[in-house]
Amino acid sequence: EAEVAQSPRYKITEKSQAVAFWCDPISGHATLYWYRQILGQGPELLVQFQDESVVDDSQLPKDRFSAERLKGVDSTLKIQPAELGDSAMYLCASSLDGRTDNEQFFGPGTRLTVL
Amino acid sequence: DQQVKQNSPSLSVQEGRISILNCDYTNSMFDYFLWYKKYPAEGPTFLISISSIKDKNEDGRFTVFLNKSAKHLSLHIVPSQPGDSAVYFCAASYNQAGTALIFGKGTTLSVSS
Repeated sequence: EAEVAQSPRYKITEKSQAVAFWCDPISGHATLYWYRQILGQGPELLVQFQDESVVDDSQLPKDRFSAERLKGVDSTLKIQPAELGDSAMYLCASSLDGRTDNEQFFGPGTRLTVL
Repeated sequence: DQQVKQNSPSLSVQEGRISILNCDYTNSMFDYFLWYKKYPAEGPTFLISISSIKDKNEDGRFTVFLNKSAKHLSLHIVPSQPGDSAVYFCAASYNQAGTALIFGKGTTLSVSS
């Protein structure tokens, strides 16, 4: 069964350092999402791509976060510099074409700890 | 301001009994509702969904009920099994805001044998 791949699974870094997360969506899925889940909360959208274009990045802290999906396939989320409050689970999800009734498939996530 | 609320952080049920997980929402624009299940160290997995034009959707042991006038939905699991122990997230979306999901905080379900 096709899955969304994410790496690394775990990342520990010191504040002010740069970190990057990678996501490979299910083949053929045009829509890709990055969510952040803080402990005890539900996932919250950071950025949504349709193919290589950003559809929604209104909740992305653009002073330190950046995301790209250059060829409309895999995607990278970067944080520079990392802050203590960035400690969270970063989840990538994909769906076929972004329609409301399309199931979103989630990857296993990257657990980030900022010391 | 939380648009999707799951007010019960946890629920404990015996195997074979019914589990009822509740969710309230504040935004009347939502037109699609979903439940996701999450095991530790895994991403959320889709469980069941319902469109705002329906009031019930059933899939095997799982049934979701939607009460639009009360802005309330619930997930019923019958019969509950130990493998159902997980965190359950309620989520909602509406087309005018794209298709990103807005999640509740989750309810941890524990099913004991």
